[in-house]
Amino acid sequence: DQQVKQNSPSLSVQEGRISILNCDYTNSMFDYFLWYKKYPAEGPTFLISISSIKDKNEDGRFTVFLNKSAKHLSLHIVPSQPGDSAVYFCAASATGAGNMLTFGGGTRLMVKP
Amino acid sequence: DAEITQSPRHKITETGRQVTLACHQTWNHNNMFWYRQDLGHGLRLIHYSYGVQDTNKGEVSDGYSVSRSNTEDLPLTLESAASSQTSVYFCASRNRDGDTQYFGPGTRLTVL
Repeated sequence: DQQVKQNSPSLSVQEGRISILNCDYTNSMFDYFLWYKKYPAEGPTFLISISSIKDKNEDGRFTVFLNKSAKHLSLHIVPSQPGDSAVYFCAASATGAGNMLTFGGGTRLMVKP
Repeated sequence: DAEITQSPRHKITETGRQVTLACHQTWNHNNMFWYRQDLGHGLRLIHYSYGVQDTNKGEVSDGYSVSRSNTEDLPLTLESAASSQTSVYFCASRNRDGDTQYFGPGTRLTVL
């Protein structure tokens, strides 16, 4: 039973437009959320995170929004660039559980020039 | 530069063989992790270690073992490889609880 779900396996957007990647979770103990980006034949790399005490965190073109009541978070990329084409993993952790990461299944983003 | 490496990058083996995947990090991180990545499942935790001589089971530990004899290395052993263990394996490390995990480049394992 997956505690972190990314319901869209793939997403295609035009260069310059907004990309919105979604993630849902079921475990109410999760209090820290992360997005990792993965290129083919490479390991995942940390992109951005948010604590449950916030509802938004921004880093350049990347913004993560957290809706605790809906147990939903999203990653917005504005503007999207071809180099953003990758698989994006949402992950969650709970402070009381050793901060182990639970990952979603990933969303493959394709940004078309 | 400090880094985390995995070897081999690709491995093909036969059912029933013992296989060991290596993970080496030069950050002097205390915590190390092994994950497997399968389509639709994301990354699932196999084993982890908080320090030398410490090992713990993760979500999908059956058929795998690890050992931690020093800070830098956490080898993952498949005692008797099964076709269900065909996957991409990632090692990760972090300095301590709450820090970001850094991932190695992965090992693609095929069990025939």
